[in-house]
Amino acid sequence: SQQGEEDPQALSIQEGENATMNCSYKTSINNLQWYRQNSGRGLVHLILIRSNEREKHSGRLRVTLDTSKKSSSLLITASRAADTASYFCATGSAGANSKLTFGKGITLSVRP
Amino acid sequence: ETGVTQTPRHLVMGMTNKKSLKCEQHLGHNAMYWYKQSAKKPLELMFVYSLEERVENNSVPSRFSPECPNSSHLFLHLHTLQPEDSALYLCASSQDQAKRDEKLFFGSGTQLSVL
Repeated sequence: SQQGEEDPQALSIQEGENATMNCSYKTSINNLQWYRQNSGRGLVHLILIRSNEREKHSGRLRVTLDTSKKSSSLLITASRAADTASYFCATGSAGANSKLTFGKGITLSVRP
Repeated sequence: ETGVTQTPRHLVMGMTNKKSLKCEQHLGHNAMYWYKQSAKKPLELMFVYSLEERVENNSVPSRFSPECPNSSHLFLHLHTLQPEDSALYLCASSQDQAKRDEKLFFGSGTQLSVL
């Protein structure tokens, strides 16, 4: 399985601090995506990084991808209480029929 | 809002009931999906529809029956469910299921409790 596995499972930080979340996977991918889920809501797409990219930025988000280590990290800078949510990585498989496979998610709590 | 609407938001049903979950997308997408989200588990892909044709069925029990009458609407018909089917059921859509780099747009989900 190329299911992404996030690490840590839970993270608690103070507002203003940076949050770093990691994702590892097992097989070749076409892309890796990060999603956020607020309690009781659906997932919202945050950012996509392709297999030939190493780093992408979107506002306070920074995503890196290391295909040699089969890992990605999501950095949220200057965290806010509103960033409290679950974060999921999803890997898009390589090959003709690409599938998106999600991990179990990381619960981020940002204390005001 | 994401442009994907799910109803109802909450559903409690007995094991002998029959109910349906509804999903509607206003994004003009060609692909729609049903996912099951249980606590401490990865999202499980249940069904995929592309241009109203079912293209994937991931070994889902027959007590779950999907229906896609057009590219904007998706239903999940439920009958004789088990307590372990209690979960958050998420609908999603994407522009084109066959393309790479597809981003999914999710609804808010239906929280299902089977008693």
